[in-house]
Amino acid sequence: QQQVKQSPQSLIVQKGGISIINCAYENTAFDYFPWYQQFPGKGPALLIAIRPDVSEKKEGRFTISFNKSAKQFSLHIMDSQPGDSATYFCAASMRVGNEKLTFGTGTRLTIIP
Amino acid sequence: GAVVSQHPSWVICKSGTSVKIECRSLDFQATTMFWYRQFPKQSLMLMATSNEGSKATYEQGVEKDKFLINHASLTLSTLTVTSAHPEDSSFYICSARLLSGRNEKLFFGSGTQLSVL
Repeated sequence: QQQVKQSPQSLIVQKGGISIINCAYENTAFDYFPWYQQFPGKGPALLIAIRPDVSEKKEGRFTISFNKSAKQFSLHIMDSQPGDSATYFCAASMRVGNEKLTFGTGTRLTIIP
Repeated sequence: GAVVSQHPSWVICKSGTSVKIECRSLDFQATTMFWYRQFPKQSLMLMATSNEGSKATYEQGVEKDKFLINHASLTLSTLTVTSAHPEDSSFYICSARLLSGRNEKLFFGSGTQLSVL
C-alpha cells in the first residue's frame, strides 16, 4: 500500500514535443506529491509538487495533473528540450506525522533533436 | 532554493574499512534529515530518518550497527558505513527537510558514490 507505481520506464520525445509521465498510488493518506529530476551522478532536485486540494499546478513548462478519485498524478513537460533529458521520479508522502517520501521507480527521459 | 551539501562526492575504500559521509544544510536548519541508497538505474530506497539530538529511525532491513547515523547539530548529519564490503557499493544520498510555515520541502544532496574494493 506504500508503493507508488510509475510509467513508462523510459521515454523518448522529440524536441518541442510534450513529455508525459504517469504515477499511481494506493495509500489514500498520501497528501503531498512531488516530482524530482535527477541527472547522472547527482542527487534529485525538486521540480514541482502538488497537494490533493487542487487538480493541476503549472510552473513554467512543467505541469502536474492530479486525479484524486483515480489516485493518479502525472507530469507534463511542454516544449521538451534536450536539457530536460534526465531521470524523473514521482513521490508521495503523508504530511502529518510522517514526512518520509515513497518514490516511484523512475522514468528515463531522452529528448532527441 | 535551499542548499544541501554532501561530502565526499565519491570515495573508494578497501573492504573492512569504515567510511563517513557528511550531509550539511548550508542555509537552513534541519531537524530532520533522511538517508537514501540508490543502485544504478533504480529508485531511491530510504535507509533511515535522522533526527537532531535523538537516535535515527531505520527502515526495515537496514542494519543500524552497520550504517551509523549521527545528527549532532541542526545543520549536520553523518552516515558511517562500518566494515564496508563490496555489496555496500552504492550511491548514497541525503536529504534535509525545510519547514516554512505550513509548507515543507525536501532538498537533496548531490550524492556520494561509494566503491568498496
